[in-house]
Amino acid sequence: EAQVTQNPRYLITVTGKKLTVTCSQNMNHEYMSWYRQDPGLGLRQIYYSMNVEVTDKGDVPEGYKVSRKEKRNFPLILESPSPNQTSLYFCASSLLAGEYEQFFGPGTRLTVL
Amino acid sequence: LAKTTQPISMDSYEGQEVNITCSHNNIATNDYITWYQQFPSQGPRFIIQGYKTKVTNEVASLFIPADRKSSTLSLPRVSLSDTAVYYCLVGDFSGGYQKVTFGTGTKLQVIP
Repeated sequence: EAQVTQNPRYLITVTGKKLTVTCSQNMNHEYMSWYRQDPGLGLRQIYYSMNVEVTDKGDVPEGYKVSRKEKRNFPLILESPSPNQTSLYFCASSLLAGEYEQFFGPGTRLTVL
Repeated sequence: LAKTTQPISMDSYEGQEVNITCSHNNIATNDYITWYQQFPSQGPRFIIQGYKTKVTNEVASLFIPADRKSSTLSLPRVSLSDTAVYYCLVGDFSGGYQKVTFGTGTKLQVIP
């Protein structure tokens, strides 16, 4: 089944403890992206990647890192999480950077205490 | 990306046609208009995309007037399962523009 998967789906952690949220797609998509969703603020883009080894900042990149070493994987790294990073995170992919349809993962609900 | 403005929320009864309008006064010549649907605790799902006039698929229709400063997503005969948040996006993705801005969307509540 063609899909975008994220792990973990739920995570509760403490301030300062490094964590990684994984994202993987099995559709051979070139473009991948991370979003966070907060009440009243809609979806905001954190980072995106046009292809392997090509990443760039979205609207809210502060406090996050990403890497794209393989086409299928696009992990989101929080080196020192803080409570204001408590949010619902979505990973998405599309066939090409110019494609209009993005496919979204199921989401990761992160709580930073 | 052109800024978009949508109503925050709408209510509709089952079986009615629902029209959600998105305003994008600063739309550029190469920009396309795309709509996504999001159910609670799920990622957004692509609904429809268009450039001008009218586009229709099995789920919805998209009406875009000649000046393209607004667009209307039309959902025919809504059911309870259409209760969701609907996002309008405007941008030129054809030339490799990769940044995406979703905005806050329109929360549609379908009432029995």
